[in-house]
Amino acid sequence: DAKTTQPTSMDCAEGRAANLPCNHSTISGNEYVYWYRQIHSQGPQYIIHGLKNNETNEMASLIITEDRKSSTLILPHATLRDTAVYYCIAQNTGGFKTIFGAGTRLFVKA
Amino acid sequence: GAVVSQHPSWVICKSGTSVKIECRSLDFQATTMFWYRQFPKQSLMLMATSNEGSKATYEQGVEKDKFLINHASLTLSTLTVTSAHPEDSSFYICSARTGQGGRETQYFGPGTRLLVL
Repeated sequence: DAKTTQPTSMDCAEGRAANLPCNHSTISGNEYVYWYRQIHSQGPQYIIHGLKNNETNEMASLIITEDRKSSTLILPHATLRDTAVYYCIAQNTGGFKTIFGAGTRLFVKA
Repeated sequence: GAVVSQHPSWVICKSGTSVKIECRSLDFQATTMFWYRQFPKQSLMLMATSNEGSKATYEQGVEKDKFLINHASLTLSTLTVTSAHPEDSSFYICSARTGQGGRETQYFGPGTRLLVL
């Protein structure tokens, strides 16, 4: 699986959009970009994933660059409950195992 | 979304005893489940991949005789920490994979906090 690089931490004001970047410059053509988050003392939560098209669901939007070397997770209206560690993972489907890196610690402030 | 449960949510035991943790997929069948361990202020570390009806595959450095994994049905996997010691105290998290092709994803349990005295 391709290595991903994320900032260690980010701050966001409550009510504003949180844009979390991820670099995956060595991603291969059949690897998807997955995002999970872990709120303190809880199990991780699946957020969204995509291959090359932008994706949106009730939680977030995923913007993947045309060359697929980077992506951005967007939380459109961050709340205090969105404070968590966000993990970007590039991996194949079909027999994959999810390996977590350090992630980005997002602090949403009132 | 799909729901994965774990039981117990926390356990305290004496050194030398064995502890069993259950992981259930509540509303879907999972041929593959995963077990992770997380120490304070660290990321999740994959311990093993559990496949229904076959032996688990352990990651390098994880003792298979100490961390026994059984995946007896499509909705249940168990992790038994045998002869637990204080250094086994950790947050244990399971996950279950569902979907096919581009719809594959993993759903995680709430975790089990183990404290070995």
